[in-house]
Amino acid sequence: GAVVSQHPSWVICKSGTSVKIECRSLDFQATTMFWYRQFPKQSLMLMATSNEGSKATYEQGVEKDKFLINHASLTLSTLTVTSAHPEDSSFYICSARVRGRDYNEQFFGPGTRLTVL
Amino acid sequence: KQEVTQIPAALSVPEGENLVLNCSFTDSAIYNLQWFRQDPGKGLTSLLLIQSSQREQTSGRLNASLDKSSGRSTLYIAASQPGDSATYLCAVPNYGGSQGNLIFGKGTKLSVKP
Repeated sequence: GAVVSQHPSWVICKSGTSVKIECRSLDFQATTMFWYRQFPKQSLMLMATSNEGSKATYEQGVEKDKFLINHASLTLSTLTVTSAHPEDSSFYICSARVRGRDYNEQFFGPGTRLTVL
Repeated sequence: KQEVTQIPAALSVPEGENLVLNCSFTDSAIYNLQWFRQDPGKGLTSLLLIQSSQREQTSGRLNASLDKSSGRSTLYIAASQPGDSATYLCAVPNYGGSQGNLIFGKGTKLSVKP
């Protein structure tokens, strides 16, 4: 149980286009989903926290108008990178907290590799 | 502000060797500590989660210990195999941040040579 999927697993786009990444909890309801970003040889850094039915909370330095997060249901959160530029190329990973489980136990998706040309 | 450090950054060992990966954290008031494995270009696989009240957790050839007072955790891998080659990350919950997100170390890249 507690499987998280992400789609797509990789995407290549031209500079200036928008890219949507989906994060789904397949067999559980996720009260909270987190979006992380990982640059090469760096660790995961939190971008934003998303709760179902409310606005996302962004970390300092993360542009909310550039990284749009929608958490429309207890099983789906989406991250849209608007007007992507090469510096947005990174590995984006979501995680989900399971309703009813240990508050601090999170399950991670397989990640999405974004390359902006 | 909680900071997580992992030493060494990279480690190369011959197959069969036992090894220890180290993780330290600056704020000892943690709820738990988690060890993950990340293969190149892939997401995270949770290996072990140690609650703050526990001293160690074991899963197969893996043993993780936790010493909250000194702000340290170790991941012991017995009889290493080439399939163990990956980056190992440790993480603790962030209580000063957004609803308990995890704070990660930069990881230890392990290479096990056949």
